[in-house]
Amino acid sequence: GQSLEQPSEVTAVEGAIVQINCTYQTSGFYGLSWYQQHDGGAPTFLSYNGLDGLEETGRFSSFLSRSDSYGYLLLQELQMKDSASYFCAVRDSGRRKLIFGQGTELSVKP
Amino acid sequence: DAGVIQSPRHEVTEMGQEVTLRCKPISGHNSLFWYRQTMMRGLELLIYFNNNVPIDDSGMPEDRFSAKMPNASFSTLKIQPSEPRDSAVYFCASSFELADTQYFGPGTRLTVL
Repeated sequence: GQSLEQPSEVTAVEGAIVQINCTYQTSGFYGLSWYQQHDGGAPTFLSYNGLDGLEETGRFSSFLSRSDSYGYLLLQELQMKDSASYFCAVRDSGRRKLIFGQGTELSVKP
Repeated sequence: DAGVIQSPRHEVTEMGQEVTLRCKPISGHNSLFWYRQTMMRGLELLIYFNNNVPIDDSGMPEDRFSAKMPNASFSTLKIQPSEPRDSAVYFCASSFELADTQYFGPGTRLTVL
């Protein structure tokens, strides 16, 4: 089966950089995705890594190391609006559905 | 373009009543997913459809839950009879060809008293 581990909470200050880690165990691997969810809102797609390395999208970057079964989401120049939950997700062994981690609640303080 | 549309946004009902949640996926998307989110269990996939056909319903908690997708632009999730433990936020999401980018609707917050 598949399982993902990510920290339950992270706190950082405005303007800082924060890294949210995700480790996974899968019987097959087809990429790591990240989603953001604001309180009371819906999850929204942030990024996808299919291969090792860093993917950058503005202030957000996502990294993957398949040999370590590990990835992270890096948020730079933190803003108050970045306070949200962040989920990593992997596709199941049948490549058909996403399995989500439990989410990391990021609190950005002034 | 309109995103995924769900109705109702909020539903309060009494135990034993039937509840029907509705979803309209993004036009052109051929995969549709129903999720349930609670504090205790996180985001769980209940069922998903590809080209209107149910592919995997292993996440449906029990026979009280059923889902249909009669056409490419409409799906329902029905709970009959509802129980207090069904209280959760139910999300519908769609994508093109089971892609990793899924677009979520705003969700239906269900409260069963």
